[in-house]
Amino acid sequence: GAGVSQSPSNKVTEKGKDVELRCDPISGHTALYWYRQRLGQGLEFLIYFQGNSAPDKSGLPSDRFSAERTGESVSTLTIQRTQQEDSAVYLCASSPGRTSVPDTQYFGPGTRLTVL
Amino acid sequence: AQRVTQPEKLLSVFKGAPVELKCNYSYSGSPELFWYVQYSRQRLQLLLRHISRESIKGFTADLNKGETSFHLKKPFAQEEDSAMYYCALQTGANNLFFGTGTRLTVIP
Repeated sequence: GAGVSQSPSNKVTEKGKDVELRCDPISGHTALYWYRQRLGQGLEFLIYFQGNSAPDKSGLPSDRFSAERTGESVSTLTIQRTQQEDSAVYLCASSPGRTSVPDTQYFGPGTRLTVL
Repeated sequence: AQRVTQPEKLLSVFKGAPVELKCNYSYSGSPELFWYVQYSRQRLQLLLRHISRESIKGFTADLNKGETSFHLKKPFAQEEDSAMYYCALQTGANNLFFGTGTRLTVIP
């Protein structure tokens, strides 16, 4: 079946503009994650959605970052008033959402964001 | 706080040689550890996880709680093993904490 998809694949924007990144998880996966990967660095956790529970936003770096998820489907990550340090690859992952055993996450191809 | 350390950014080995990618973690709870791999122009994907005690593509990883390590090993490296490897620690909240990754190059 289809994997996790993300759009756009590349986004170039000017400093100060808002951007919206989209993630379509694997159908049936209740858990959805956003990560950021800056050049030469590891993946940085941003936010986690699990079903209808309140999302874990502990990884969001500032209040310019927000994310929404409609039910158990699409999620959007919004970055307001972008800064050059926001330039990174933003990865989305989804998982079945099992809590009794470690859950395998399936990653999308990522969105490469460049802030000029 | 949780932390995953991969001390080598780059690792090169010759084809047929043994390879070991190092990973150390810091976590006060019971760790769930994974290795993820990203081949050239492909998305990040799960390679193996410690709870399964499996061998995938000839790779194995043993959790050593005394040394807080989860090193990835393969006795005979192949060219197709060239990729970026990430060690990851999963906490009870299903969050994955990743290391900075090691780029493995297998020289023909």
